[in-house]
Amino acid sequence: NAGVTQTPKFQVLKTGQSMTLQCAQDMNHEYMSWYRQDPGMGLRLIHYSVGAGITDQGEVPNGYNVSRSTTEDFPLRLLSAAPSQTSVYFCAVTGGGRVAGYTFGSGTRLTVV
Amino acid sequence: GDSVTQMEGPVTLSEEAFLTINCTYTATGYPSLFWYVQYPGEGLQLLLKATKADDKGSNKGFEATYRKETTSFHLEKGSVQVSDSAVYFCALSEDSGYSTLTFGKGTMLLVSP
Repeated sequence: NAGVTQTPKFQVLKTGQSMTLQCAQDMNHEYMSWYRQDPGMGLRLIHYSVGAGITDQGEVPNGYNVSRSTTEDFPLRLLSAAPSQTSVYFCAVTGGGRVAGYTFGSGTRLTVV
Repeated sequence: GDSVTQMEGPVTLSEEAFLTINCTYTATGYPSLFWYVQYPGEGLQLLLKATKADDKGSNKGFEATYRKETTSFHLEKGSVQVSDSAVYFCALSEDSGYSTLTFGKGTMLLVSP
């Protein structure tokens, strides 16, 4: 039982390149979300999904795109990477956040040069 | 909107010292409160939680009590160990269908032998 799997663990991009950060879960939870972690900023919500076919924006959605075609997967797309998107990205899932808490992936460290 | 305020770090302690990390929150509803811990190079792990006023969450010797009257959820441990060195995040989740998490900025704890 892997829980929440994020790939890749590390990535270096050039400005303007595109890439997809993968998040897969085997917990059969409906709610999935993406956060970015920056020094001194804590974690900020980028996008989230409450089920297949349903997504919504969080606090810092600009420059990112998401879709949710299955319960298991919630990829995060950077269409044209910018240095300001250098960060550590975490995927989090929950079956009932208010009570159950969230399970986080191990993160993807992205550097945009 | 919702917000979480934590004491700034780093907090530097000697082994077996008493730990307090302050956390206060602002929320429009009646949130659940969480403490997450992040060890170096890893993702976030749920440390403890409380879902209603006067609840005490506890785990691994850490405790926090949900104080609605002071809107606080301070983290305490009676005797810290070197292995407790990590970044600690206070977070809340509103009582809503989407259950998004709002984080504080994190407090780094450094414990020396």
